[in-house]
Amino acid sequence: GNSVTQMEGPVTLSEEAFLTINCTYTATGYPSLFWYVQYPGEGLQLLLKATKADDKGSNKGFEATYRKETTSFHLEKGSVQVSDSAVYFCALARTSYDKVIFGPGTSLSVIP
Amino acid sequence: NAGVTQTPKFRVLKTGQSMTLLCAQDMNHEYMYWYRQDPGMGLRLIHYSVGEGTTAKGEVPDGYNVSRLKKQNFLLGLESAAPSQTSVYFCASSYEPPGGRSGNTIYFGEGSWLTVV
Repeated sequence: GNSVTQMEGPVTLSEEAFLTINCTYTATGYPSLFWYVQYPGEGLQLLLKATKADDKGSNKGFEATYRKETTSFHLEKGSVQVSDSAVYFCALARTSYDKVIFGPGTSLSVIP
Repeated sequence: NAGVTQTPKFRVLKTGQSMTLLCAQDMNHEYMYWYRQDPGMGLRLIHYSVGEGTTAKGEVPDGYNVSRLKKQNFLLGLESAAPSQTSVYFCASSYEPPGGRSGNTIYFGEGSWLTVV
């Protein structure tokens, strides 16, 4: 079946450190891939997305590249801030599906 | 901008009681979803709707019912609450399916915290 695997957290980084959150997926066909972010006490919101192989999604200094050969969509940011502390969810949606499949989420804490 | 609004935000139920969570969206979206979020398990889809008058089961539909009588509203009901239904519930909506080349965005509400004792 279709699934998303993320690195387990929690992840704790110092401000200005480099961030990588690994995400790999299993799906037939050519899914769209997403990163959603959930700030404390809030609902999820879209951070970035990519809809075909080799596409790079980017937003707010975060980037992720759709790698079909490794079935991965790793999230990166060069210099994290305290305000980036949140839970990050990798997700996929298959071409002909109505539903999004979410990974378990990775909690990130950035300390000053 | 209202977006997706959920009520109530917090509720404590006794085992066996019933309740309804209301979700309203003002973006004229066709697709609406109910998810539950549990520690270590991410978000799991309970039920969804692809338009007014339609509903369909997601991953974990047992113990829940839904209705979509109006396009802007999607109701989630618990007929006989159980402690296993203690969770955070999120409603979401999208204009089109999230799959495909456009990768349509899903918009989430702020969540409803439900405790069943």
